[in-house]
Amino acid sequence: DTEVTQTPKHLVMGMTNKKSLKCEQHMGHRAMYWYKQKAKKPPELMFVYSYEKLSINESVPSRFSPECPNSSLLNLHLHALQPEDSALYLCASSQDLLASGGDEQFFGPGTRLTVL
Amino acid sequence: GNSVTQMEGPVTLSEEAFLTINCTYTATGYPSLFWYVQYPGEGLQLLLKATKADDKGSNKGFEATYRKETTSFHLEKGSVQVSDSAVYFCALLRRAAGNKLTFGGGTRVLVKP
Repeated sequence: DTEVTQTPKHLVMGMTNKKSLKCEQHMGHRAMYWYKQKAKKPPELMFVYSYEKLSINESVPSRFSPECPNSSLLNLHLHALQPEDSALYLCASSQDLLASGGDEQFFGPGTRLTVL
Repeated sequence: GNSVTQMEGPVTLSEEAFLTINCTYTATGYPSLFWYVQYPGEGLQLLLKATKADDKGSNKGFEATYRKETTSFHLEKGSVQVSDSAVYFCALLRRAAGNKLTFGGGTRVLVKP
């Protein structure tokens, strides 16, 4: 299984809502990532988890709250978002941050988020 | 810091034409280099990779060679199909930088029948 899955595929939420994005992989990877991608732009890194611990936070606003409950799952909790947060949110995984090989990241299909 | 520069698109081709997308990079040390492809409405798919100088990555008819002397990783395909229409991203990764991928701006390719 070389797949990263993400749910939901689409999400529309108001600025006062609380929602969560979910990501799952069964490749035994120990590094997982959240990216944000705006239209016609490359993905921008938000968070990196390594062995279920937050390793990198790219100065993301606190209205985005990541969680890694186990080695296969990664969540992104959303609260009080702004319309400019509307984007495609991509999850990725890789073997780990220190492997001598296999540094490639595998991406999920993304969740397209619209904030009204 | 690290950076990746790609040719701007869109690149419009006819089916069976030769495709080249230029990619150059700036990085310290010895980064790994990647090409990712994004089809409309989808996530990124890893197309190919190279981890050291003179390595050639290849997949689905696409090729790219890691050229350290010119800091380049140009993507080529000899005969494109309509199904190759997508956005292509060149990227580099340095383990010392926490496995952070640095992407180029992306190149949109449109193949017409």
